[in-house]
Amino acid sequence: DGGITQSPKYLFRKEGQNVTLSCEQNLNHDAMYWYRQDPGQGLRLIYYSQIVNDFQKGDIAEGYSVSREKKESFPLTVTSAQKNPTAFYLCASSVTNYGYTFGSGTRLTVV
Amino acid sequence: DAKTTQPPSMDCAEGRAANLPCNHSTISGNEYVYWYRQIHSQGPQYIIHGLKNNETNEMASLIITEDRKSSTLILPHATLRDTAVYYCIVNTDKLIFGTGTRLQVFP
Repeated sequence: DGGITQSPKYLFRKEGQNVTLSCEQNLNHDAMYWYRQDPGQGLRLIYYSQIVNDFQKGDIAEGYSVSREKKESFPLTVTSAQKNPTAFYLCASSVTNYGYTFGSGTRLTVV
Repeated sequence: DAKTTQPPSMDCAEGRAANLPCNHSTISGNEYVYWYRQIHSQGPQYIIHGLKNNETNEMASLIITEDRKSSTLILPHATLRDTAVYYCIVNTDKLIFGTGTRLQVFP
């Protein structure tokens, strides 16, 4: 079955460390997105990519980096520059003007 | 910033219709109205979308006013499993989420 896979489901990071969240899709979607969600809040856009080897910053890109070397993959790196990285991270993909498909999310906790 | 306004919360009795309103007074002519819902700690689930005409699928109906400045999502027979946060989103190339409406369906 087609879908989006995010891994790991739970991730713990020490302060000052970089960590990479995986997002893979087999839906043949061109566009992919990363969102962050804090408790009781809506989703905020971090980065998005509409085509391979190209991506744009969203509303809260500082402290994050991405790459889009393959159509199927859009990993997100949370760097040590991100001051408050503890959050729920969601990846999505889409075909233009149709519904987004979301992954099940990665819950990142800084310890 | 989100381009939509929704009530923060609503209640609905099980089996009754749930009507969730959304204002999007600054919507542009080529922007779609999307509805998603998010059950606690899960990824958002696509419900329905529309441009000008009313739409219906197996999950819900979407009623868009003629001036396109507001819309209503209708869940015709709400169940306890419909308890979730519902997001109304206007977009062209990317989804910008607001804080949504927390719908509580009670027995």
